[in-house]
Amino acid sequence: GAVVSQHPSRVICKSGTSVKIECRSLDFQATTMFWYRQFPKKSLMLMATSNEGSKATYEQGVEKDKFLINHASLTLSTLTVTSAHPEDSSFYICSAEGVSDYNEQFFGPGTRLTVL
Amino acid sequence: RKEVEQDPGPFNVPEGATVAFNCTYSNSASQSFFWYRQDCRKEPKLLMSVYSSGNEDGRFTAQLNRASQYISLLIRDSKLSDSATYLCAVNTGNTPLVFGKGTRLSVIA
Repeated sequence: GAVVSQHPSRVICKSGTSVKIECRSLDFQATTMFWYRQFPKKSLMLMATSNEGSKATYEQGVEKDKFLINHASLTLSTLTVTSAHPEDSSFYICSAEGVSDYNEQFFGPGTRLTVL
Repeated sequence: RKEVEQDPGPFNVPEGATVAFNCTYSNSASQSFFWYRQDCRKEPKLLMSVYSSGNEDGRFTAQLNRASQYISLLIRDSKLSDSATYLCAVNTGNTPLVFGKGTRLSVIA
């Protein structure tokens, strides 16, 4: 149980294009999902909390117009990196909050984005 | 003081050794505690939850010390495959998990 998928696993795009990343909880419903970014050999950085049916909550310093988050169903959240630039190249990982009382999070396999 | 702190390491240990990591947290209201394992260029994977009474899963033992506000992870009989970064995570119940920056472990043959 508690499997989270992410698609695509890898994407290479030209500067200026937009990239959409999907995060799905496969065997449970996730009211809350989270989006993280991780640069090589650096720690996880929380970008935003995605709540089903409402607007995402962004962390300080994360531009909401740059990183569009949509959580339209209990099993799907999407992150769109708009007008991507080389500095947006990173490992983007989503996670979903489990259904137990402990609030553990289960991570998707991540999306490696390279912007040329 | 940072919310969650870990020694970044690296811890370089020989196969078969016992190694322990600590993770301190600043919020005394924290309710849930976890250890995750992250391999290079992969996502974090939940290794174990940390219960008040401590818990053991094979070679891995997790403990919680509320008085001193830290959790620990003990790995016995280290294997080469244990080489990874170990992240602790803390939750106060109303916020996303707060992750430490991770402790790197290298088990050497």
